[in-house]
Amino acid sequence: GAVVSQHPSRVICKSGTSVKIECRSLDFQATTMFWYRQFPKQSLMLMATSNEGSKATYEQGVEKDKFLINHASLTLSTLTVTSAHPEDSSFYICSARDLGDGELFFGEGSRLTVL
Amino acid sequence: AQSVTQPDIHITVSEGASLELRCNYSYGATPYLFWYVQSPGQGLQLLLKYFSGDTLVQGIKGFEAEFKRSQSSFNLRKPSVHWSDAAEYFCAVGPPGSARQLTFGSGTQLTVLP
Repeated sequence: GAVVSQHPSRVICKSGTSVKIECRSLDFQATTMFWYRQFPKQSLMLMATSNEGSKATYEQGVEKDKFLINHASLTLSTLTVTSAHPEDSSFYICSARDLGDGELFFGEGSRLTVL
Repeated sequence: AQSVTQPDIHITVSEGASLELRCNYSYGATPYLFWYVQSPGQGLQLLLKYFSGDTLVQGIKGFEAEFKRSQSSFNLRKPSVHWSDAAEYFCAVGPPGSARQLTFGSGTQLTVLP
């Protein structure tokens, strides 16, 4: 089946620094990717929709200047957490929609810890 | 607006017992329906999905789900649970024929006793 890869799987950073998380579709093209945030023992909350070649669409309450999303190609979207703070610590998951059949595939997630 | 309710936060079953996880949705028409499983520290894996047609859907790992329009439900079932099934299970809905994102339920944590 199709694979979506996230990197890094775990990252620890100091408060005030920026962290970039990559989401790649390995064997299919995706014009649309989605970024979710998941708090412990809670469901996934959609943060933004990443569209190849255009600006991302952010959900209400998500700071677009803090969570920068770039979808530069049909196989790569990046989420950059800028000036990270401890409250940004979370599990971030991406998903990618196969351009061919529209099916949605999820990455393995990235655990961000901000000290 | 669409919504998904998973009324059971945590379910415990013994290995070999049958399992049913409940999912109710709210949507104006028949949505696309999904069940995903998430192991600790991992992403989501699709178990099965319903778009149209036969209301009993077979998925991977021996799971099945039945779409009941009259009850707005899409319950997940497995006749005999294995210890490896212990995980978090999410029901999700999405509008048909659209590229929009899914709406997830709050999840059900499954514990399997030996």
